[in-house]
Amino acid sequence: DTAVSQTPKYLVTQMGNDKSIKCEQNLGHDTMYWYKQDSKKFLKIMFSYNNKELIINETVPNRFSPKSPDKAHLNLHINSLELGDSAVYFCASSQDQYGYTFGSGTRLTVV
Amino acid sequence: KQEVTQIPAALSVPEGENLVLNCSFTDSAIYNLQWFRQDPGKGLTSLLLIQSSQREQTSGRLNASLDKSSGRSTLYIAASQPGDSATYLCAGTGNQFYFGTGTSLTVIP
Repeated sequence: DTAVSQTPKYLVTQMGNDKSIKCEQNLGHDTMYWYKQDSKKFLKIMFSYNNKELIINETVPNRFSPKSPDKAHLNLHINSLELGDSAVYFCASSQDQYGYTFGSGTRLTVV
Repeated sequence: KQEVTQIPAALSVPEGENLVLNCSFTDSAIYNLQWFRQDPGKGLTSLLLIQSSQREQTSGRLNASLDKSSGRSTLYIAASQPGDSATYLCAGTGNQFYFGTGTSLTVIP
């Protein structure tokens, strides 16, 4: 009954590869997000989707692309991975004025 | 641009103590204020949510308050336990969702 689930939990890959992280929420929330947590534990928003429409797009490299096949899914695709992409990526969802629910995170290590 | 600061950055207390974690934000135009807990290597667990019309929320030994006029929120933990050791993050929603810098709490048995 996981509310927001991300897969995989761990991802180790070589530089230059393309990878995807999947996220699904069963809460019926309208908005989903991707956050990046850096080595200092600081969380920064990357993208959010509201009803399949991108409404926030921070200054992230265009190698990162969110893909939302439907309201319950927001996947993150990363092209040409770089060492600096190593971080923990969190998916989250929210509905109107209610709080946010986060996934358990995906630890990406680029070697 | 909203900036959210948490003080202290790290805190170590003996078991049983009451403690207060502080969160301040530069733009008082936030909508909700939410406190999270993050255990090492784990995801974020929501602790308390203070919605725009509220001033505080309580759950068990936790109490969070929000003062929009001063741009501050506090998380009060009563009778701390070693299991409370974690990083605590506050986050405010305005046009976006902004996370604080976090407070790393260690409760010593």
